[in-house]
Amino acid sequence: EAGVVQSPRYKIIEKKQPVAFWCNPISGHNTLYWYLQNLGQGPELLIRYENEEAVDDSQLPKDRFSAERLKGVDSTLKIQPAELGDSAVYLCASSLEGRTNNEQFFGPGTRLTVL
Amino acid sequence: AQTVTQSQPEMSVQEAETVTLSCTYDTSENNYYLFWYKQPPSRQMILVIRQEAYKQQNATENRFSVNFQKAAKSFSLKISDSQLGDTAMYFCAFVETSGSRLTFGEGTQLTVNP
Repeated sequence: EAGVVQSPRYKIIEKKQPVAFWCNPISGHNTLYWYLQNLGQGPELLIRYENEEAVDDSQLPKDRFSAERLKGVDSTLKIQPAELGDSAVYLCASSLEGRTNNEQFFGPGTRLTVL
Repeated sequence: AQTVTQSQPEMSVQEAETVTLSCTYDTSENNYYLFWYKQPPSRQMILVIRQEAYKQQNATENRFSVNFQKAAKSFSLKISDSQLGDTAMYFCAFVETSGSRLTFGEGTQLTVNP
């Protein structure tokens, strides 16, 4: 069974440019998470979806970040415009349901470098 | 707010030996879950072991076991018979039973030397 798929794996852009990341969760997983991981730190949740509904987006900087999960399957995270401080790894994860003890399965991440 | 602290940024161990990674957390909740995640250099994070706070028995998964001290809010990971493939960043994580937002520690980089 395929795991969580993310693309691209690496992205280099200049500041003020837009960028988008794509995530395809494990088949059947209705809960999807986007995390931000700065170098040498643990991941921090940006947004959580239950099916197509964003149920926790309190940590998403909404002035420049947006996300969507239109059909409740794959998801896109966008930054516009990107800033130097956005350089990080963006991780996507999914779980069968958003319950506490359900294991979250992580994708390989997208490493973003903003020049 | 919950916090998770890993006080060992880096650790190393010889192959076949045992190593213990430390984690402490702070919460006012009584019911919660604790996890250890492993992130190898390829960056795919995987779950190593989980502990439910209401269970007194420490969780064990093959060579991995935890020492859960609820009163001390401590949750350490013991890796026995260390293997080269155990080299990775290890993250301790917490989630309260009523929620699903994982709070991660800063991580411990473990290197297993041949």
